[in-house]
Amino acid sequence: DSGVTQTPKHLITATGQRVTLRCSPRSGDLSVYWYQQSLDQGLQFLIQYYNGEERAKGNILERFSAQQFPDLHSELNLSSLELGDSALYFCASSVGYGNTIYFGEGSWLTVV
Amino acid sequence: GIQVEQSPPDLILQEGANSTLRCNFSDSVNNLQWFHQNPWGQLINLFYIPSGTKQNGRLSATTVATERYSLLYISSSQTTDSGVYFCAVSSGTYKYIFGTGTRLKVLA
Repeated sequence: DSGVTQTPKHLITATGQRVTLRCSPRSGDLSVYWYQQSLDQGLQFLIQYYNGEERAKGNILERFSAQQFPDLHSELNLSSLELGDSALYFCASSVGYGNTIYFGEGSWLTVV
Repeated sequence: GIQVEQSPPDLILQEGANSTLRCNFSDSVNNLQWFHQNPWGQLINLFYIPSGTKQNGRLSATTVATERYSLLYISSSQTTDSGVYFCAVSSGTYKYIFGTGTRLKVLA
């Protein structure tokens, strides 16, 4: 158990819908990262927050947004879902940046 | 941006064999980690190793930062070692960039 908690673990939704994925970082970690892994693909960096502020952005679609709350948990919002958004979405956390990052178990999203 | 290449892309071993996985990166890095993604999708930390050598049981890793590569050694492989091994690096920015992975299958 890495200490990073993600919910839900599995989600099936229809095209055009909106979903929210939630992440609780390890106790004491200030940085939260979101990654997307499509079928048989590598991990694509989406976005990173540090202590509530956005620090880095990857190839995150405009339909996707995220935030980190004062209690340090983070949410990734995916809207106007398309079939191609089906993927495993990972959250990771670290104490700061330039540290070891630990991954949650991921949220499996299937868009039908 | 920084490029990360891993080799070989696929590897099949008989149980008990040894293997070496390689990670090359295109620029200097401040951080490097190795991960194992098991067949259930979980990403497990193996090593945080921006430079030097570390060992943990049957696994060891070496990073030669000046030559921009890292190696992961697996000795006496077991079927539970099957999965995908990823190398991830960051180079002063806040994000880790992942390599394409090495898919390992260990046969009983």
